[in-house]
Amino acid sequence: EPEVTQTPSHQVTQMGQEVILRCVPISNHLYFYWYRQILGQKVEFLVSFYNNEISEKSEIFDDQFSVERPDGSNFTLKIRSTKLEDSAMYFCASRPGQGVQPQHFGDGTRLSIL
Amino acid sequence: QKEVEQNSGPLSVPEGAIASLNCTYSDRGSQSFFWYRQYSGKSPELIMFIYSNGDKEDGRFTAQLNKASQYVSLLIRDSQPSDSATYLCAANNNDMRFGAGTRLTVKP
Repeated sequence: EPEVTQTPSHQVTQMGQEVILRCVPISNHLYFYWYRQILGQKVEFLVSFYNNEISEKSEIFDDQFSVERPDGSNFTLKIRSTKLEDSAMYFCASRPGQGVQPQHFGDGTRLSIL
Repeated sequence: QKEVEQNSGPLSVPEGAIASLNCTYSDRGSQSFFWYRQYSGKSPELIMFIYSNGDKEDGRFTAQLNKASQYVSLLIRDSQPSDSATYLCAANNNDMRFGAGTRLTVKP
């Protein structure tokens, strides 16, 4: 069965550094998402992306965050100047298209900011 | 504010019993609702989704939706120890909002 793949599985970064988290959505999917989950807390929506642009973003997704689909397969989340509170699991998800269709999640990237 | 509320539990049921998980949502514009299961340290795994009022059954799982009451539930019949996990309710209206999850323990 096709899967959403995320790399790396664990990223350790110094505070203030830029970090890029990578995702390869399922190949025929059109909608892409990023979520984060701080340890012990709920899954929080960050951003959705469709047709090469952001369609929705949450209050968490401030100017420090950006997303990009640099080629036909990758979907990236960049955090420009990381803060300690950015430490979390970051999940990428994708879904096929219009209508009620579930999102399929990748295994996540654990981001640790030192 | 788009909130999804769940009883955090923990909910403990004996093996073979019915587990009942509840969820309420505040955004009346939410159009579809999802139940995910999350094991510790893992990503959310879809169990089922519902978008029409009433019941939807899939194997041992039944989702129920009442839009007037803004209420979604998940019933797990014949609970198994492998069902022990955190169950996440999510409501979708262009963006997907998750509840904090209910931790379920099924005791052998």
